[in-house]
Amino acid sequence: KQEVTQIPAALSVPEGENLVLNCSFTDSAIYNLQWFRQDPGKGLTSLLLIQSSQREQTSGRLNASLDKSSGRSTLYIAASQPGDSATYLCAPGGSYIPTFGRGTSLIVHP
Amino acid sequence: NAGVTQTPKFQVLKTGQSMTLQCAQDMNHNSMYWYRQDPGMGLRLIYYSASEGTTDKGEVPNGYNVSRLNKREFSLRLESAAPSQTSVYFCASRYPVGNTEAFFGQGTRLTVV
Repeated sequence: KQEVTQIPAALSVPEGENLVLNCSFTDSAIYNLQWFRQDPGKGLTSLLLIQSSQREQTSGRLNASLDKSSGRSTLYIAASQPGDSATYLCAPGGSYIPTFGRGTSLIVHP
Repeated sequence: NAGVTQTPKFQVLKTGQSMTLQCAQDMNHNSMYWYRQDPGMGLRLIYYSASEGTTDKGEVPNGYNVSRLNKREFSLRLESAAPSQTSVYFCASRYPVGNTEAFFGQGTRLTVV
């Protein structure tokens, strides 16, 4: 059974900082890994998808890396803004099923 | 493009009542999923349907049933609701199986009293 751990569980930072969110998983036999954002009371919005053959993926201020062999992914957020405040979830995907970590709750204060 | 649509958005049930949560996607996805999200527990898979005509249990299937009505629709039924089923329910879909991103609905907030 895939186990997913996200560290830290919560993070509160001033605006402008560069951030690192970590995700580790126990079963490296994955097809891809997806990072999501969830705002309070809302659904999940896909941020980045990294295929198992890729090392990293970038979208604007977001960069996600994947080290499949060691079971780790990292989401970098550059120059954080208050609008980045949300919960960030990672989901390594097996053949059919994405499995989720409990998320990192991020607050960026002005 | 509506994506993944869930109905209803909110529901309050009395213990023992039944209800069906509806999910429809317009992206021609093969696979569909039902998750529940509880504080401190993250998202847990209830049931999934890898393709039209198939359904399988996930991590927490007890107390639920599902129907893959057609390629677009995947419903979740609570036959006799219990307070432990108070949660936020999310439907998701993905195509093709295995190597593309999953898309989520906005969720159904269910309270069982």
